[in-house]
Amino acid sequence: AQTVTQSQPEMSVQEAETVTLSCTYDTSESDYYLFWYKQPPSRQMILVIRQEAYKQQNATENRFSVNFQKAAKSFSLKISDSQLGDAAMYFCAYRGAPGTYKYIFGTGTRLKVLA
Amino acid sequence: SQTIHQWPATLVQPVGSPLSLECTVEGTSNPNLYWYRQAAGRGLQLLFYSVGIGQISSEVPQNLSASRPQDRQFILSSKKLLLSDSGFYLCAWSVRGGSGNTIYFGEGSWLTVV
Repeated sequence: AQTVTQSQPEMSVQEAETVTLSCTYDTSESDYYLFWYKQPPSRQMILVIRQEAYKQQNATENRFSVNFQKAAKSFSLKISDSQLGDAAMYFCAYRGAPGTYKYIFGTGTRLKVLA
Repeated sequence: SQTIHQWPATLVQPVGSPLSLECTVEGTSNPNLYWYRQAAGRGLQLLFYSVGIGQISSEVPQNLSASRPQDRQFILSSKKLLLSDSGFYLCAWSVRGGSGNTIYFGEGSWLTVV
């Protein structure tokens, strides 16, 4: 069965600095999708970024980018120029190839942004 | 555009009482539907998912059940709540088929069993 591991329960970053959140996963599939979701204090889950495993190019969304290492099964999120609004819980998620329906989430990393 | 709503937002129920959380998706047809529970330190735990009316897959054996009486309606139920059922419950949906790569969440429901 697939698993997603986030080994950093909590991280802190100074405002305007860069922080990287780690995620590793375990799967025997070659085609799959990876996601980062943000959960602010409102608890609303917000999609930050997603990556298709067959694409070698790392996904980027404004200040958010990923470092996808398929062989190492690693999918880290880099937040540049951190802002106070980035403070939230961040979840890494995995979904298998089309035809599979389950989304597996990690335990989350709480990010604190220091002014 | 597609929207997802779940209710009630907050619920306080005594042990042994029944439960019904409802979720409705608008603006799409034939969605995959999901119920997750969020507990501290455990992330999001998948409870049930459904790929069609009446089709329910259970991930975690427990005293909860799910039903999908209509295409865009998903209900989480219990006949007798336990203290351990307390938590934050999230309904979610994704597009069925190969293009449905992103999962979208409702606002969540806080359940406290007392």
